[in-house]
Amino acid sequence: SQQGEEDPQALSIQEGENATMNCSYKTSINNLQWYRQNSGRGLVHLILIRSNEREKHSGRLRVTLDTSKKSSSLLITASRAADTASYFCATDAIGDYKLSFGAGTTVTVRA
Amino acid sequence: EADIYQTPRYLVIGTGKKITLECSQTMGHDKMYWYQQDPGMELHLIHYSYGVNSTEKGDLSSESTVSRIRTEHFPLTLESARPSHTSQYLCASSGGRGGAYFGPGTRLTVL
Repeated sequence: SQQGEEDPQALSIQEGENATMNCSYKTSINNLQWYRQNSGRGLVHLILIRSNEREKHSGRLRVTLDTSKKSSSLLITASRAADTASYFCATDAIGDYKLSFGAGTTVTVRA
Repeated sequence: EADIYQTPRYLVIGTGKKITLECSQTMGHDKMYWYQQDPGMELHLIHYSYGVNSTEKGDLSSESTVSRIRTEHFPLTLESARPSHTSQYLCASSGGRGGAYFGPGTRLTVL
């Protein structure tokens, strides 16, 4: 089974609203990463948060990490139509070289 | 823009054929990965490598093999393609402590 699980599976919001999605994982990690995938394309790395960090910002993105709950959240503020995509979390597990992905959250931003 | 390439981009072949999907990166990354992804679905790790002459199977049972003779090259071979292999195959690489870079993918159809 996959290491990370995203919630919700799908999200539809109005342009300008914030979008929040969550990721839960199972084992101890070195870091957790978030990626975006536009329809049918390759994935693009958005942000990486290390296990000793609790919060990280990059532009309109805010990521939190709670290692005690084995969970992370991605917040996209002031969403735009161009943010319409699937978002995946991925975990880099301790003692392993795998990069394991969750099932993803599909975000639709309505104009 | 990261330099990771996959060829071919699209491939339609008959059952029983042997095929090799190519993946190359010019960033000198030690870690490379192959994922299988059906449209709109999660990514399944099928093989990964953490350096030359080191390869491991991923979470998804696969009838494919990989090799890592050179740092920049990580080809995936299907000895006998079947319709169940129809999917998109994504190659990625990562180095140091950053996120992964993905290629554009190979969309494979087995008739």
